[in-house]
Amino acid sequence: AQTVTQSQPEMSVQEAETVTLSCTYDTSESDYYLFWYKQPPSRQMILVIRQEAYKQQNATENRFSVNFQKAAKSFSLKISDSQLGDAAMYFCAYTGTASKLTFGTGTRLQVTL
Amino acid sequence: DAEITQSPRHKITETGRQVTLACHQTWNHNNMFWYRQDLGHGLRLIHYSYGVQDTNKGEVSDGYSVSRSNTEDLPLTLESAASSQTSVYFCASSEWGLGEAFFGQGTRLTVV
Repeated sequence: AQTVTQSQPEMSVQEAETVTLSCTYDTSESDYYLFWYKQPPSRQMILVIRQEAYKQQNATENRFSVNFQKAAKSFSLKISDSQLGDAAMYFCAYTGTASKLTFGTGTRLQVTL
Repeated sequence: DAEITQSPRHKITETGRQVTLACHQTWNHNNMFWYRQDLGHGLRLIHYSYGVQDTNKGEVSDGYSVSRSNTEDLPLTLESAASSQTSVYFCASSEWGLGEAFFGQGTRLTVV
């Protein structure tokens, strides 16, 4: 079975600074996707960024980028120029051939002035 | 625009009652999922379906059931609600090969 581990329950970053959230996963599959979802206080699950395992290039979406290390099974999220609106719970998630999402336990990100 | 909606958004029920949470999607996705979210556990899979008449158990399926009679709906039933089932429930849908899942707004269920 696949597992996803987020070892940072809480992180804090100052506005305009950069923060990196960590995620590791375990799988025996070769074809899969990895995601970062953001959950603000509204409870809505918002897709931040996705990475296909077969792509060597790291995904980037505006201020959000990932560091995908396939051999190490590591998938970290970097948020640049942090904004107050980035404060939320962030979940790392994995999906493979069965199309089911497996989530990590989440990292709560605080953004301070 | 296509969407996935859950109802109700909030519900309080008593121990032992049967409760059904609704999930309706207009994406025309084959895959639908129910998750529960609890502090310290992230989202855990309860049940899922790959199409009409197909249902499968997830990692925390005890005390829950689902049925899939059409593509759009996957209702989740708590057969006899227990306090341990107090949680936030999310429905999601996806299509094969795309990876990404789309989520409903969540239902906060309190069992007293």
